Amino acid sequence: AQTVTQSQPEMSVQEAETVTLSCTYDTSESDYYLFWYKQPPSRQMILVIRQEAYKQQNATENRFSVNFQKAAKSFSLKISDSQLGDAAMYFCAYRSAYRGGADGLTFGKGTHLIIQP
Amino acid sequence: DGGITQSPKYLFRKEGQNVTLSCEQNLNHDAMYWYRQDPGQGLRLIYYSQIVNDFQKGDIAEGYSVSREKKESFPLTVTSAQKNPTAFYLCASSISRTGDEQYFGPGTRLTVT
Repeated sequence: AQTVTQSQPEMSVQEAETVTLSCTYDTSESDYYLFWYKQPPSRQMILVIRQEAYKQQNATENRFSVNFQKAAKSFSLKISDSQLGDAAMYFCAYRSAYRGGADGLTFGKGTHLIIQP
Repeated sequence: DGGITQSPKYLFRKEGQNVTLSCEQNLNHDAMYWYRQDPGQGLRLIYYSQIVNDFQKGDIAEGYSVSREKKESFPLTVTSAQKNPTAFYLCASSISRTGDEQYFGPGTRLTVT
């Protein structure tokens, strides 16, 4: 079974600064997808960014980018120019590319990101 | 607007009663999922369904049941056998069995006393 670990329960950053959230995972599979989801106080889960394991290029979405290290099984999220609206819980998630994706997502426990004005 | 709706947002029940949480989507997605979220925890998969009239247990299915009679609907019943039913429940859907992005509903907070 796959596991996802987020070792930082809480992170704090000054507005406009850059912050990196860590995520490691354990799997024996070679093909899979990785995601970062954001959960603001409304508790709506919002997809931030996704990475396909067979792609070496790191995914980027505007101010959000990832550092995907497949051999190290590491998948960190970098948020540049932090904004007050970025304050939320951030979850790292894994999904197998096998079995037609039947097993849903495996989530880490989350990192609470605080933005200091 | 296309999306996933869950109702109600807050639900209160007495211990020993079964309760059904609603999940409806108009995204024409084939696959649907139920997750449970507890304080300080990530989401854990309860049940999932890839097509109508078919569903499989996730990691924590004990004490829960589902049905998938229509493509748009995937209700979750929390039975009296579920030992710790108080939690936040999230429904999600994805395009197909091979679809890799899941879209989430707003969730239902269930409190059992």
